[in-house]
Amino acid sequence: NAGVTQTPKFRILKIGQSMTLQCTQDMNHNYMYWYRQDPGMGLKLIYYSVGAGITDKGEVPNGYNVSRSTTEDFPLRLELAAPSQTSVYFCASGGFPNEQFFGPGTRLTVL
Amino acid sequence: RKEVEQDPGPFNVPEGATVAFNCTYSNSASQSFFWYRQDCRKEPKLLMSVYSSGNEDGRFTAQLNRASQYISLLIRDSKLSDSATYLCVVNLYTGNQFYFGTGTSLTVIP
Repeated sequence: NAGVTQTPKFRILKIGQSMTLQCTQDMNHNYMYWYRQDPGMGLKLIYYSVGAGITDKGEVPNGYNVSRSTTEDFPLRLELAAPSQTSVYFCASGGFPNEQFFGPGTRLTVL
Repeated sequence: RKEVEQDPGPFNVPEGATVAFNCTYSNSASQSFFWYRQDCRKEPKLLMSVYSSGNEDGRFTAQLNRASQYISLLIRDSKLSDSATYLCVVNLYTGNQFYFGTGTSLTVIP
């Protein structure tokens, strides 16, 4: 099992550009999550999904969109990137309310 | 008010020391509790779940006090490899969401 994989590992964007962060899990988990972690801060939930076709906003959803067409994939879309979106993004999956398994993260810089 | 609050530290302790971390949560409806470990520039990984009766895993002991809305983690006989940030995590069944503390930094010194 690869667990949770994320691509890319690093990315630099210019202000106003868009991109999609990919997340795939092979553990057949229903629950998937996107978090961002700013330096010295805790993880903030952006969006989550309780199953294919179902998504919901977390604490900080503005500027992001998600989709969940399959159990395995949960991509995060950034539209019109802003410097405030510079962060480390973690995808996670799990069988709520149990342990979450995290991907290795994507380090995004918006200049 | 933050859902989960932790003392950020840093805690610098010598090898072999015992160190305790505390965490408070604001929502009395919180149902599940966890301690995660995060190494520098890495993803968080589950250290242990926290059960109402308290639980132990080797050198690590977790306690939950629902009345005071308080969780603790005790590390005995600290090793250099215990150096990391420890995240307190709680969730509410109703919201399908996990809430993370900002983490407590631990450095174990030779």
